[in-house]
Amino acid sequence: KAGVTQTPRYLIKTRGQQVTLSCSPISGHRSVSWYQQTPGQGLQFLFEYFSETQRNKGNFPGRFSGRQFSNSRSEMNVSTLELGDSALYLCASSLAQRGFATQYFGPGTRLLVL
Amino acid sequence: AQSVTQLDSHVSVSEGTPVLLRCNYSSSYSPSLFWYVQHPNKGLQLLLKYTSAATLVKGINGFEAEFKKSETSFHLTKPSAHMSDAAEYFCVVSDQGYQKVTFGIGTKLQVIP
Repeated sequence: KAGVTQTPRYLIKTRGQQVTLSCSPISGHRSVSWYQQTPGQGLQFLFEYFSETQRNKGNFPGRFSGRQFSNSRSEMNVSTLELGDSALYLCASSLAQRGFATQYFGPGTRLLVL
Repeated sequence: AQSVTQLDSHVSVSEGTPVLLRCNYSSSYSPSLFWYVQHPNKGLQLLLKYTSAATLVKGINGFEAEFKKSETSFHLTKPSAHMSDAAEYFCVVSDQGYQKVTFGIGTKLQVIP
């Protein structure tokens, strides 16, 4: 079974621009979660989608948004980029309908904001 | 509310010696607990998980962890470190709710030849 894939793997943007990251979950997984990883803050939960609905949200500003499609693929969008948005963005998928199921992580998208 | 504290940001061991990575948690409900490993420039890989079955959990690559409710701990151990174990390890707690998870800050494990 193919793992979680994320595209692109690397991105360089400038302040004020917007960016869209994509995540394809493991086949059959309907839950997709997004995380931001930085050296200073560690891994922080952004949001989680299940069956095209946002089910949980972390403490990030509204510039961070996401969506999930009917095939469970998910996109994350960051508008009006700031220098502090430079990070590794990780996507994870799981089978979970209720409760917490094991999450399988993709390799991440490394975003650099200049 | 839930939280997780990884007590050491860096741990250094010699190859062939035991590994102990410490994790304490706080959770209002019966928690699920996980350990993940992240090698440089890679995503996270699940090492093991506790979900209210046996308190001693065996994972991949010889790692195991023991859930101790009285101490609210879930320490990760391995009898003999290997060079390939050098990575960052994350302790994760989740209550029984909907995908509400909290990651620890991570422990970087260095293995000295």
